[in-house]
Amino acid sequence: TQLLEQSPQFLSIQEGENLTVYCNSSSVFSSLQWYRQEPGEGPVLLVTVVTGGEVKKLKRLTFQFGDARKDSSLHITAAQPGDTGLYLCAGLITGGGADGLTFGKGTHLIIQP
Amino acid sequence: DTGVSQNPRHKITKRGQNVTFRCDPISEHNRLYWYRQTLGQGPEFLTYFQNEAQLEKSRLLSDRFSAERPKGSFSTLEIQRTEQGDSAMYLCASSLGGAVGYTFGSGTRLTVV
Repeated sequence: TQLLEQSPQFLSIQEGENLTVYCNSSSVFSSLQWYRQEPGEGPVLLVTVVTGGEVKKLKRLTFQFGDARKDSSLHITAAQPGDTGLYLCAGLITGGGADGLTFGKGTHLIIQP
Repeated sequence: DTGVSQNPRHKITKRGQNVTFRCDPISEHNRLYWYRQTLGQGPEFLTYFQNEAQLEKSRLLSDRFSAERPKGSFSTLEIQRTEQGDSAMYLCASSLGGAVGYTFGSGTRLTVV
């Protein structure tokens, strides 16, 4: 059973379109992070959210943490080919003991010119 | 600071051989993490250190896997008697702990033939 479910798994859209990817869990997270990974490289941190209902913006990317801290979304406006990559959400479970981030399987995003 | 460094980048080994990977974290980071990532999956947590203490190792995949961080600086991950199922990307990350994001290295790609 995947602790963090990401959807969609794959998304291919045209340059200039908007998109939203989702990260859902039945567990409560003390914090949640989004990473972007390119082939053959390690994930790169985009943002950390810690407060329920929190919204953070990073240029054309908008991140939201659910009120109950069980889910998150990433919205990209006017997608560009440079946004292509694997987007991973990862969370620290409240009271989970182990201090390692739990990752979802990721959303493979392709932006076609 | 050059970030998190992992060596080697690629390793091809014959089944049954032992392999060791090295990770040099960001010098100010006291926490170091090892993850494994297989094709189409998100990173899977293996173990982590706070300084030289290994605080979580129950998630190591089998007793063939072991990790050390002898002086609280670099770390090594060893896999004994490798199997084809061990083929994966092994990622190292470091952080200051808490809700602070992780900095990942570029990974070591292991292929067991």
